[in-house]
Amino acid sequence: AQSVAQPEDQVNVAEGNPLTVKCTYSVSGNPYLFWYVQYPNRGLQFLLKYITGDNLVKGSYGFEAEFNKSQTSFHLKKPSALVSDSALYFCAVRDEGTGRRALTFGSGTRLQVQP
Amino acid sequence: DGGITQSPKYLFRKEGQNVTLSCEQNLNHDAMYWYRQDPGQGLRLIYYSQIVNDFQKGDIAEGYSVSREKKESFPLTVTSAQKNPTAFYLCASSDHLQDRDPFFGPGTRLTVL
Repeated sequence: AQSVAQPEDQVNVAEGNPLTVKCTYSVSGNPYLFWYVQYPNRGLQFLLKYITGDNLVKGSYGFEAEFNKSQTSFHLKKPSALVSDSALYFCAVRDEGTGRRALTFGSGTRLQVQP
Repeated sequence: DGGITQSPKYLFRKEGQNVTLSCEQNLNHDAMYWYRQDPGQGLRLIYYSQIVNDFQKGDIAEGYSVSREKKESFPLTVTSAQKNPTAFYLCASSDHLQDRDPFFGPGTRLTVL
């Protein structure tokens, strides 16, 4: 079965500093990996995804993520955090080996950027 | 503009009553999904449908039912058999053939009184 782990419930960072939100995954086949962001009482917004190719994926709002197959990780990064980045971030995976198209999500990491 | 509409935004229900959450999309997507969100648990898949008149149980289908009579619509019924229905419910859709990323609706917050 596919699964996603986000080991940090919350990440705190000062505005202007780099940020990292961690994600590890487990699949039987090839992974399709996603990052979504959620603002209070709203739906999820797509940030970026990895399917194949370059391990460094660039997405919306200056975010990027690095796929590491050997460590089964897909950490979200941003060089310089903004207060407006404060939100709930979800990592998700789809296992191309199962044929199930629905995503499996991690438990979420709350990012708090302090001014 | 294309998107997903979920109504109502807030819903209150008395214990023991069934309630139906609406999800409508005008994105011409083939696949639709229902997720439940609880604090600290992320999103869990309830049901999904890849084509009209077909749907499959997700990871937590007990106490829920769905229908997919039209491509645009995927209503979710929370039955009285669902032991702890208070949660935030999110509907999503994706383009099966074009393999586009799942697009999420704004959600419905259900509270059982």
